[in-house]
Amino acid sequence: AQSVTQLDSQVPVFEEAPVELRCNYSSSVSVYLFWYVQYPNQGLQLLLKYLSGSTLVESINGFEAEFNKSQTSFHLRKPSVHISDTAEYFCAVSVPSGNTGKLIFGQGTTLQVKP
Amino acid sequence: EPEVTQTPSHQVTQMGQEVILRCVPISNHLYFYWYRQILGQKVEFLVSFYNNEISEKSEIFDDQFSVERPDGSNFTLKIRSTKLEDSAMYFCAISDSPYEQYFGPGTRLTVT
Repeated sequence: AQSVTQLDSQVPVFEEAPVELRCNYSSSVSVYLFWYVQYPNQGLQLLLKYLSGSTLVESINGFEAEFNKSQTSFHLRKPSVHISDTAEYFCAVSVPSGNTGKLIFGQGTTLQVKP
Repeated sequence: EPEVTQTPSHQVTQMGQEVILRCVPISNHLYFYWYRQILGQKVEFLVSFYNNEISEKSEIFDDQFSVERPDGSNFTLKIRSTKLEDSAMYFCAISDSPYEQYFGPGTRLTVT
């Protein structure tokens, strides 16, 4: 069975500082990897995805994540955070299952950006 | 990015009552999903729906749950006899491929 572990439940950081949100997964088969972000009182928004190809993927708002197969990790990074990045971040894996690929989520990491 | 809305945004119901949660994609899509998030816990997969039938369901998705696309547009989740432990945020997700899923804003279900 697949599982996802987000190693930090809360990450406080000052504005303009770098941040890394850690995600490790367990799977005996190939998976696709995702990061979703949930702003207060909103739904889950797809932040970035790894399906194949380059192991470094980037989002439009400066986040990036690197797929590391040997370490089974997909950590999320940003070199300089903004107050507006304060949100809950979820790492997820998708395993091809029948005709659809269900998502298996980690516990979430709350990013708290302080001024 | 595909858009999807959910109604209602908040539903309060008494234990034992039936509720129907609705997912309204802005345009047509191939794959539909329901997930839930109990307060303080992980987002959990409930069911996937493709080609007008259930593709996969989790252990949570027992006989009290059902899904359908009654008019080819809306995608509904019915809980026949709600329990206190059904209180959660329910998210609909849609996609045009098996892997990239886009979520609605969610319906908060409170069972009293």
